[in-house]
Order: sequence, then C-alpha cells, then structure tokens
Amino acid sequence: DSGVTQTPKHLITATGQRVTLRCSPRSGDLSVYWYQQSLDQGLQFLIQYYNGEERAKGNILERFSAQQFPDLHSELNLSSLELGDSALYFCASSVHTGGALGNTIYFGEGSWLTVV
Amino acid sequence: AQSVTQLGSHVSVSEGALVLLRCNYSSSVPPYLFWYVQYPNQGLQLLLKYTTGATLVKGINGFEAEFKKSETSFHLTKPSAHMSDAAEYFCAVSGEAAGNKLTFGGGTRVLVKP
Repeated sequence: DSGVTQTPKHLITATGQRVTLRCSPRSGDLSVYWYQQSLDQGLQFLIQYYNGEERAKGNILERFSAQQFPDLHSELNLSSLELGDSALYFCASSVHTGGALGNTIYFGEGSWLTVV
Repeated sequence: AQSVTQLGSHVSVSEGALVLLRCNYSSSVPPYLFWYVQYPNQGLQLLLKYTTGATLVKGINGFEAEFKKSETSFHLTKPSAHMSDAAEYFCAVSGEAAGNKLTFGGGTRVLVKP
C-alpha cells in the first residue's frame, strides 16, 4: 500500500459525459501528479500540483482539468468524454517538487475509466 | 526535454535465469532515474532509484541497476528470475528543471517460464 488513495477504482460512463476522479496523497506529501496510462500512449504525464498551485503541465487535453484543495487532496475532471479517453488514470504524490534530489513519487492503484 | 527508451517491449526468461531489462535515457540536466514495477491490475511500485553517488543501486526483490553516464543507460538486472517477477517494468527519468515529474519509457513486460 503506497498510501495514495484513489476513487473510484472503476468507472463506466457514456460519451459526452463528465466524470471526476479523486485522489488523497500520502500523509505529508505536498505534490500531486496525474498520469494517464493507455495501450497506445503508454504512461503520459498530465499535470502536477504543489501545495495547491499548478506546478507543471503535460499532455493534458483542454477538456480535462484538475485542482488541489487546501487539504491537499486533488481532483481530475474529465468532460465531453470520448471513447479514446478510456484509460487507467493514476494519481501520485511526493513530499517536494523540483529542487529536491529526485524524491520518490508514490503511485495509487489507479482509476479505470471506460467510456462507452 | 527528457526521454526514456526501453529496448524490448516483451522479455521472456526461464525461472532461475538472469533478468536484464534495458533502459536508455536522454536528459539535458543531471538525471534522476527510476525503475517501477506494475503487477497485473495494480499501481506502480518503486523498485529502485538513482539520484547521486554510487552508480550501482540495489532495490527491492533482488533487483539492481547501474547508472552509466557515458552510455546514458540505467539497465535493470536480477541474477535469478522468480515466477513472481512476471510483471511490467517501467524505467523513468526526472530532473530538477522538470519539476520532479517522471517521464516514462514504454515499459517491458516480463514473462517467466517454469
């Protein structure tokens, strides 16, 4: 158990719908990352937050958005869903962000999203 | 920008044989290198990481990796494969200028034959 909690574990929804994925980081971790894992794209970095502020942005679609709340939990919002958005979405957390010596990033078990 | 190439998307080894998974990276800043393992229907678990110092890094479950700057490589090895090593393995790189985010390779799926 990494200490990173993601809900829901599985989600099936229809095209055009909107879903919210939730993540609770490890206790004490200030940085939260979202990754998408799909068969064709592999593991892709989406976005990172550090202590409530956006820190880095990767291959995140405009239909997707995220935020980190004062209690440090994070949510990833996916809207106008398409079949191609079906994937495993990981949340991860670490103590610090850039400037620290490659501190370990801990991953949750992921949220499986199926768009039908 | 940083990138990772893992040679071989699938590797098959016999139980008791050497496991060798290849990883080459590209980075314009001093890299931090990681190997993660993903068991079926599970999240990513850190096997080991290189930050600075000793270039031979030992991790969990008998795995180790060696950082070779001249070859821009960070290959993962285990002297004797066990059935429980069947999983997918990901090499990743990060760096201070990249905000500590990880850039992953495409992964190598390991099959262990009895």
